[in-house]
Amino acid sequence: DAGVIQSPRHEVTEMGQEVTLRCKPISGHDYLFWYRQTMMRGLELLIYFNNNVPIDDSGMPEDRFSAKMPNASFSTLKIQPSEPRDSAVYFCASSTTGNTEAFFGQGTRLTVV
Amino acid sequence: QKEVEQNSGPLSVPEGAIASLNCTYSDRGSQSFFWYRQYSGKSPELIMSIYSNGDKEDGRFTAQLNKASQYVSLLIRDSQPSDSATYLCASSYYGNNRLAFGKGNQVVVIP
Repeated sequence: DAGVIQSPRHEVTEMGQEVTLRCKPISGHDYLFWYRQTMMRGLELLIYFNNNVPIDDSGMPEDRFSAKMPNASFSTLKIQPSEPRDSAVYFCASSTTGNTEAFFGQGTRLTVV
Repeated sequence: QKEVEQNSGPLSVPEGAIASLNCTYSDRGSQSFFWYRQYSGKSPELIMSIYSNGDKEDGRFTAQLNKASQYVSLLIRDSQPSDSATYLCASSYYGNNRLAFGKGNQVVVIP
């Protein structure tokens, strides 16, 4: 298996622009997680899905953030409009029911200038 | 209060020594505990999991869990330069795959 695949690996955008991050989980995994990592706050859970349904989005910082999972093999995290404080590394991870080991993608390093 | 706390600053250890990392958690409902390793610029990868009180050994790594004290630790024996990384502690509830992470502890092994 190719593992969790995220795109793009790096994104530089101007403040106010829309940013879309993409994730393909490992085939057969029914949990998908979006995390954000910064030096100050560490690895924060933003939202997670089970069987394509959002279960807990309490970590989403503001209404500017939204996430979707239209099918079992694809999820997006959108920031609109983006702000400099959104600059961070965004990780997607997946796992299967009964096995809490989460596998992480390589991350997207977002820089908002 | 964060669910998982790792309060120690960067840890420098000489090669061959034991590195000791600690983690506390706030919710007694947490059932499963994990240690992830993250190299600079890379993604976290699981190195140890522990579910019951006591010690669990895997190669040079030993995880220790004390549910009464809500305390998890990781020992790295015979530390190698390749162990230089940030170590993240995580917890989850039984029957729930959601993982809560601590901020991590950086370990630097000095040759």
